[in-house]
Amino acid sequence: DTGVSQDPRHKITKRGQNVTFRCDPISEHNRLYWYRQTLGQGPEFLTYFQNEAQLEKSRLLSDRFSAERPKGSFSTLEIQRTEQGDSAMYLCASSGGAYNEQFFGPGTRLTVL
Amino acid sequence: AQSVTQLDSQVPVFEEAPVELRCNYSSSVSVYLFWYVQYPNQGLQLLLKYLSGSTLVKGINGFEAEFNKSQTSFHLRKPSVHISDTAEYFCAVSPRRGNTPLVFGKGTRLSVIA
Repeated sequence: DTGVSQDPRHKITKRGQNVTFRCDPISEHNRLYWYRQTLGQGPEFLTYFQNEAQLEKSRLLSDRFSAERPKGSFSTLEIQRTEQGDSAMYLCASSGGAYNEQFFGPGTRLTVL
Repeated sequence: AQSVTQLDSQVPVFEEAPVELRCNYSSSVSVYLFWYVQYPNQGLQLLLKYLSGSTLVKGINGFEAEFNKSQTSFHLRKPSVHISDTAEYFCAVSPRRGNTPLVFGKGTRLSVIA
């Protein structure tokens, strides 16, 4: 098991473009979380899945954001019509135990020009 | 709802000196507590966790933390730091019931000086 992976690691885009990020969790984990981290801040929750069901969405997740986890495996996070304020590190984490111990991927750093 | 306060945004310390990074939390329910470390341009790595039992928890890389329920604190300590410990450290909290998202503090930047 190689842990949580994310792709791409870096993404530079122009304002108004759509971007999509992928997260592959640890294979036996049924819960998957997306967080956003801006400079000098801790990670902030965006959304999470249990298997394929999206159970909770943060108020940070505007209508331009959508996330999916088909078949309860990998997940994608799409941002439509990107804005400069979307520039951040997007972190994915997975969990499968009883104690909510979350394992993080390396993150995708998004820069919106 | 839960919240986490990390009292120091930056902590400089000389190599081989001891260090304490402070974390206080607020919650109306019982919680699990975590410390994560983040190296530049990387994700978060779990250092240690408090789930139940002994209030002194040992983690990786020689770090330990003590849970103090009355003071709602979970301070991280290391008796002797190395240059390689330079990183950002995050304290996080989660309610015991349910697998809800973690709530993080703003982080403490530990800089180890040679």
